[in-house]
Amino acid sequence: QVQLVQSGAEVKKPGASVKVSCKASGYTFTGYYMHWVRQAPGQGLEWMGWINPNSGGTNYAQKFQGRVTMTRDTSISTAYMELSRLRSDDTAVYYCARDSGEYQFAGTFDYWGQGTLVTVSS
Amino acid sequence: QSVLTQPPSASGTPGQRVTISCSGSSSNIGSNYVYWYQQLPGTAPKLLIYRNNQRPSGVPDRFSGSKSGTSASLAISGLRSEDEADYYCAAWDDSLSVHVVFGGGTKLTVL
Repeated sequence: QVQLVQSGAEVKKPGASVKVSCKASGYTFTGYYMHWVRQAPGQGLEWMGWINPNSGGTNYAQKFQGRVTMTRDTSISTAYMELSRLRSDDTAVYYCARDSGEYQFAGTFDYWGQGTLVTVSS
Repeated sequence: QSVLTQPPSASGTPGQRVTISCSGSSSNIGSNYVYWYQQLPGTAPKLLIYRNNQRPSGVPDRFSGSKSGTSASLAISGLRSEDEADYYCAAWDDSLSVHVVFGGGTKLTVL
């Protein structure tokens, strides 16, 4: 069965960086795009971007360009999302979500990780 | 301020039919598929409807989606207590700055 298991909660100071991991299992990791979506406390969902694990290609929401980097390690079927220059309003739960298209972009988030809480506080 | 507009809350009694609306524009709903996600308290979102009206396997046929022009709606018939959750609509946007937009979410309460 498809599973996405994310790394644990993080507490960071303003200006620092955080790197969240998402380990995939139960399917061919390189065959499906991976998206990252975040949710601030009590707020809605916000899409951050995607990575193509096969090629390493990425596409980021303009809001995060210059601060976000999405990478992957195919040897361990893991995707990463690093956000730099953290601010207090980056406090949120960060989710990885698999795209449903096999070796193609479908735009459907069919499986989600459990979420990683990142708290930014001085 | 979300790009897609949803009512913040909705409610119904067990067995009733409820609908949740989602309003967008020509660059998102008007020209792309609509998706619906269900988020139970304290859990990750779950895909409920894709490509406007398709249900993934395992999603009961009590849930249905539709789209017309720049608006979409999610209907839940035979409401059950376990349907109490937050519901989000989403669509891809053709504008340069954002690729995926979500609604602000609708909290469904089963009375």
